[in-house]
Amino acid sequence: QSALTQPASVSGSPGQSITISCTGTSSDVGGYNSVSWYQQHPGKAPKLMIYEVSNRPSGVSNRFSGSKSGNTASLTISGLQAEDEADYYCSSYRSSSLLVFGTGTKVTAL
Amino acid sequence: EVQLLESGGGLVQPGGSLRLSCAVSGFTFSNYAMNWVRQAPGKGLEWVSNISGDSGHTYYADSVKGRFTISRDNSHNTLYLQMNSLRAEDTAIYYCATSMGDLWIQLWILPSWGQGTLVTVSS
Repeated sequence: QSALTQPASVSGSPGQSITISCTGTSSDVGGYNSVSWYQQHPGKAPKLMIYEVSNRPSGVSNRFSGSKSGNTASLTISGLQAEDEADYYCSSYRSSSLLVFGTGTKVTAL
Repeated sequence: EVQLLESGGGLVQPGGSLRLSCAVSGFTFSNYAMNWVRQAPGKGLEWVSNISGDSGHTYYADSVKGRFTISRDNSHNTLYLQMNSLRAEDTAIYYCATSMGDLWIQLWILPSWGQGTLVTVSS
């Protein structure tokens, strides 16, 4: 049950935009519009930020957006803020193992 | 307001058993599939198990299949995870989480999470 591949860390200056990638295969990311993104602050539970590739739950800032191309999904944070510093995880339905998460990305606002 | 509160974690010896509970409120529990997701110390998230709203369907990660059993009591708004034959690699914070709905595509979207309960498997 291999995890989806994310960069270990991404950083940016406050106000800048950053993008986190999530690479899978045609059996998960590329095969279904079932990609979600979660934000997790230290010691806290994950929070759903994006679902079905590009949909935002009610209450999530429109600075967060999602997209997908082929086997790679992306989360973009526009206008990076200090409060966005957290770990981010992608997830996807996978035909063989149902739900798989990414390796996680630590976002730092420099 | 949706609330999920896990309990039952603790220290257990390898080979032992533990039952986790997740008490929920703020929504019609029986209408939603539920999940357990775990996170080993300093590591990423790992999906463990899912159960449909009516308990008719259950799903497990290969890593726990045959050892863990998910169940629910809709009359008491509570989700359970019975964990047997525990191993050191099962050490993690265990979160319960709702699915967005009962449709297949919605099962794998997790909008609400509890704060987690720590399970430590060690001699």
